[in-house]
Amino acid sequence: NAGVMQNPRHLVRRRGQEARLRCSPMKGHSHVYWYRQLPEEGLKFMVYLQKENIIDESGMPKERFSAEFPKEGPSILRIQQVVRGDSAAYFCASSSTTGRSLSGANVLTFGAGSRLTVL
Amino acid sequence: AQKVTQAQTEISVVEKEDVTLDCVYETRDTTYYLFWYKQPPSGELVFLIRRNSFDEQNEISGRYSWNFQKSTSSFNFTITASQVVDSAVYFCALSHYGQNFVFGPGTRLSVLP
Repeated sequence: NAGVMQNPRHLVRRRGQEARLRCSPMKGHSHVYWYRQLPEEGLKFMVYLQKENIIDESGMPKERFSAEFPKEGPSILRIQQVVRGDSAAYFCASSSTTGRSLSGANVLTFGAGSRLTVL
Repeated sequence: AQKVTQAQTEISVVEKEDVTLDCVYETRDTTYYLFWYKQPPSGELVFLIRRNSFDEQNEISGRYSWNFQKSTSSFNFTITASQVVDSAVYFCALSHYGQNFVFGPGTRLSVLP
């Protein structure tokens, strides 16, 4: 039973190019979260998605960043016209429910991360 | 607004020493969940524990133990008899009903042989 799969694990882009990061959640999980980790820093929430819906994108930069989780296929985090400041590790996590009960508390299962380097 | 503070940026201990990692949180919610995750040098994030706000019982799992004090909004993590393999960055996290997890900045633990 595969866990959360992220690819590519490492991605190098030049300034101005586009980066696409993919995340396949754990089997049975319908909720996907994206986090960004800058070097030597903690995890910053970016976006929370369910199938075909963006639930919370309060952590997403207003420009150049977008995310989707289509009915079929992986979730995609897309960064257009990358800049050096976008260099970071991008982690995807999935969970099975919204946890709207004491017994249903989510545990986020994380992927191994995608490390983006912008030259 | 929710916030998690891990005041210790880096800790170094010698193998077999006990070490406590501090976590202080802020939330206006009465129902919430607290978590600890481990990020070893390989980079992946490993879930360690989840605790809900109504359960203040401390928990022990092998060499790991957690002390949840609602009165001081703290959820501290102790490793007993530390080992080199415990070297990692440890993150404390807070979530309201399992949405929008907020992570602390992490504590980098180095266990020296």
